[in-house]
Amino acid sequence: SAVISQKPSRDICQRGTSLTIQCQVDSQVTMMFWYRQQPGQSLTLIATANQGSEATYESGFVIDKFPISRPNLTFSTLTVSNMSPEDSSIYLCSVEDLGSGYGYTFGSGTRLTVV
Amino acid sequence: RKEVEQDPGPFNVPEGATVAFNCTYSNSASQSFFWYRQDCRKEPKLLMSVYSSGNEDGRFTAQLNRASQYISLLIRDSKLSDSATYLCVVGTGGGNKLTFGTGTQLKVEL
Repeated sequence: SAVISQKPSRDICQRGTSLTIQCQVDSQVTMMFWYRQQPGQSLTLIATANQGSEATYESGFVIDKFPISRPNLTFSTLTVSNMSPEDSSIYLCSVEDLGSGYGYTFGSGTRLTVV
Repeated sequence: RKEVEQDPGPFNVPEGATVAFNCTYSNSASQSFFWYRQDCRKEPKLLMSVYSSGNEDGRFTAQLNRASQYISLLIRDSKLSDSATYLCVVGTGGGNKLTFGTGTQLKVEL
């Protein structure tokens, strides 16, 4: 199955600043997905990132707050902009993994704390 | 109503027990179905995909009832290492938009 390297694994940031999270996949994939998992909650899809086009955002998420880059078929970044304590969460990237029964593989997550 | 609803947890069971988790989904256009396992402070990992014909992988059996929009996971002969949160996941929009249930926590005890 696909192997995803996600970094940073964790960070503590000051409110008002921005953090960029990176995901590198060991194979070319058409779509990459970004999720948020708030404390004690399940995962919520933020956006879908396609190479060569703008990301598609889910309801409640906007590009100004969560800009995404997808420069090639193996890499994507998610930026959490102008952070507030409410952005404290785990952020995960994911790809469709055709080698694992058509499931989806996740990066190890970025645990973000905003103070 | 939540798009994907799961049994509330936690389930505390003795080692060797059989435990069943249930899940219902609201979108009849859903196309793909999965059970994921998430250990504490870790990312979710695919346990198994779920098919209409049902599928089994060792001690784990998953069933899908499209008419009732219901998914189940059965774990037989539970082990201490099965302790985790089990997430019911449903895919729509060509299967690529995943909606996660809130998860059911399983604790297997000696």
